[in-house]
Amino acid sequence: KAGVTQTPRYLIKTRGQQVTLSCSPISGHRSVSWYQQTPGQGLQFLFEYFSETQRNKGNFPGRFSGRQFSNSRSEMNVSTLELGDSALYLCASSLGFQLDTQYFGPGTRLTVL
Amino acid sequence: GQQVMQIPQYQHVQEGEDFTTYCNSSTTLSNIQWYKQRPGGHPVFLIQLVKSGEVKKQKRLTFQFGEAKKNSSLHITATQTTDVGTYFCAGHSSSNTGKLIFGQGTTLQVKP
Repeated sequence: KAGVTQTPRYLIKTRGQQVTLSCSPISGHRSVSWYQQTPGQGLQFLFEYFSETQRNKGNFPGRFSGRQFSNSRSEMNVSTLELGDSALYLCASSLGFQLDTQYFGPGTRLTVL
Repeated sequence: GQQVMQIPQYQHVQEGEDFTTYCNSSTTLSNIQWYKQRPGGHPVFLIQLVKSGEVKKQKRLTFQFGEAKKNSSLHITATQTTDVGTYFCAGHSSSNTGKLIFGQGTTLQVKP
């Protein structure tokens, strides 16, 4: 099976712009979770989508949003970018059952100038 | 909210020495998962523990889940340069199994 794929792999934006990141889960996986990874804060949970519905949400401002499509692919959007949004954004897919293993994608490295 | 703390944050060892990282949760966990992230890579699942007091081994790696299901440890015997990376613990709170909360990770450097 193909692994989790994320596009783009690298992105450079300027403050105030918005960005959309994409994640394609492993075939058959219905849950997609998004994480922000920074050197200072580690892995921070953003949100989880299951069957096109947001099932869980982390403590991030409303500028961070996401959605999931019927084929389980997911996108996350960050509006009005700030310098502090520079990070590695990881998505992880799982079957969607309780206590599942997360399979991570390679991540999108976002740099905000 | 639920917090998962990991110590130490960094560890430098000589190849062949042992290494241990500890994970402590502010709340009781339903499970504990361990992931490894190589430099420049993404987290890769290593193992999951769900039972109180559970111990699992993978070659030189030994994982433990505390009796109270609030702490865990990962011990590596006789480290090798291939063990370099950041080790994360993560758990679901027993009161809310939805979110997987990660510790900050322990970065291991191994000197040959």
